[in-house]
Amino acid sequence: EPEVTQTPSHQVTQMGQEVILRCVPISNHLYFYWYRQILGQKVEFLVSFYNNEISEKSEIFDDQFSVERPDGSNFTLKIRSTKLEDSAMYFCASKVLTEAFFGQGTRLTVV
Amino acid sequence: GQQVMQIPQYQHVQEGEDFTTYCNSSTTLSNIQWYKQRPGGHPVFLIQLVKSGVVKKQKRLTFQFGEAKKNSSLHITATQTTDVGTYFCAAPNAGGTSYGKLTFGQGTILTVHP
Repeated sequence: EPEVTQTPSHQVTQMGQEVILRCVPISNHLYFYWYRQILGQKVEFLVSFYNNEISEKSEIFDDQFSVERPDGSNFTLKIRSTKLEDSAMYFCASKVLTEAFFGQGTRLTVV
Repeated sequence: GQQVMQIPQYQHVQEGEDFTTYCNSSTTLSNIQWYKQRPGGHPVFLIQLVKSGVVKKQKRLTFQFGEAKKNSSLHITATQTTDVGTYFCAAPNAGGTSYGKLTFGQGTILTVHP
């Protein structure tokens, strides 16, 4: 069964450092998303990406965040200068029409 | 902005008991989705409800979408330990575009005691 894959599964970084979270969406999917989930809390939308551009972003997705789809398969989330409050599980998701398929997530810990 | 409220936050049941989680939106929805997240896992799509008043069943799970399309519920009959996890409702952005974001409820954490 096709799945969304994310790497790494766990990333520890020092405050102020840049991190890149990587995702390989399902190959025939058209819409791509990043969500985050702070431990024990709900899943929060960060950004959606369609037709090689951002289609929507949340208030959380400030200038420190960026997304790229550098080739036909990868979809990356970059955080330029991490803060302690960026610690969370980051989920990539993709879909064709209705069902959003989520990756296993990257647990980002900022120390 | 759109808000999706979900109750209860936690539910502890004995195996075999029923479970229900409720979801309410501040706005009328084009559709609503339900996801399950196992402990340590990622959200997994369960169902999308579109028509007002619809009731859909998946084995022991029953999903309802209110007549006014502002509330929904998920009911599990005779819970099993495999039902453990967090159940989220999720609403599309206003306008319900295909590529739109999902606004998740806070989730209901279900614990099933054997």
